[in-house]
Formats: sequence, C-alpha cells, structure tokens
Amino acid sequence: AQTVTQSQPEMSVQEAETVTLSCTYDTSESNYYLFWYKQPPSRQMILVIRQEAYKQQNATENRFSVNFQKAAKSFSLKISDSQLGDTAMYFCAFTNNNDMRFGAGTRLTVKP
Amino acid sequence: NAGVTQTPKFRILKIGQSMTLQCTQDMNHNYMYWYRQDPGMGLKLIYYSVGAGITDKGEVPNGYNVSRSTTEDFPLRLELAAPSQTSVYFCASSFTAYKKGETQYFGPGTRLLVL
Repeated sequence: AQTVTQSQPEMSVQEAETVTLSCTYDTSESNYYLFWYKQPPSRQMILVIRQEAYKQQNATENRFSVNFQKAAKSFSLKISDSQLGDTAMYFCAFTNNNDMRFGAGTRLTVKP
Repeated sequence: NAGVTQTPKFRILKIGQSMTLQCTQDMNHNYMYWYRQDPGMGLKLIYYSVGAGITDKGEVPNGYNVSRSTTEDFPLRLELAAPSQTSVYFCASSFTAYKKGETQYFGPGTRLLVL
C-alpha cells in the first residue's frame, strides 16, 4: 500500500518569512497525483496546490509552491511571505488509480 | 452555493447506539466520499460513491454503511457505535474521480464521541 509521511508534526514561522513543509511518499506507480490541503482551525479542508506526477514542472499558486522530486519521492510545500491566515494544519495527500492516502499533517503557526 | 454541508456538527453516542451522519452537496458532483480523521492522523477513506446508486468501500469501511439515492446526498450510517469510532468525520465531493487527481471539496466535519 502507498504511504505518505510528514516528518514535521509542528512548525512555526515569523510573519513575512518563508517556510518549507516536508512530505515523502512511497509508491511503485509511475502515474499519480499529489496534493497539499490546508485545514484551518475552522476544520474545513481546502486545496492549496496540486501536482501531477508526469509533469516535471513544479506547481505554483501565488505564495505557495512545491518542490517535487519524483526520484526521491519527495513533495515539499514552500510558503513565501507567510501570513497570519496561513496558520493551520497542512496535509500532504497522494492518489492514483487504486488509493487515496493522507499524511498525518504538519501544524504550522505563523507568529506576528 | 453552500458547497458541502454536514449535520450534526457534534454528537455524543453511547456504545451500541446507531446514528446517521448527513452530507449534502449542491455542486452537482458525481463523486462523494466519507473520511474519518483520528487525533494526530491523516484522513482515512471509509466509503465513496461514483454516482447515485453506486457505492464502494475505502480503506476502513468496517462498522459503517452508506447509500446514495440522489446526486446531492450521501449519508453515513453507524449501526452499533463503538469507542473506536470516536473521530471527526468529513464528507467530500468532486466532479470526477479523485483517482484522476480531481480536487475534492470538503464539508466542515462532524465530531463524534462514543462513550
């Protein structure tokens, strides 16, 4: 079965600084999708960014970008110019034709 | 456009009781999902549906049942509540299959405590 590992249970960053959240996964598949979801204190999860494994170019969405290293099975999320509203749990997720897996999450706190 | 809504927000059950968690979406999505989130863990897929009348098991289906009689509604049934079912339950929907990388839209969750 596929696994998703987030090795940083908690992180903090000063407002306006940059932070990187780590995610590694294990799969024998060559075609799959990776996601970062944000879960703020309100609990409702929203999509931050999405990456297709067959695309070499790293996905970006405004202040959010990923570093996708397919050979290393690594999918880290970089948040630039951190804002107080970025405080949330962040979940890395993996999906392919057979499975949908989430990591345990990283709790990010942005400090003023 | 309310998106995905779930009721109730919080519920306490006694061991052996049954209940139905409600989920409704107004985005005309074909696919709907139920997840559970245990403390300190990621979400785990319980059941999913690819359309009205069609459901399938996910990673952790034991102790749960689902039905999908309409496109909008996807209720989750707990027949004999057990303490191991204490969790936060999330409903989600997507237009096409999550297996094809489709974005899922989540509801606000239902917190269930079984005592």
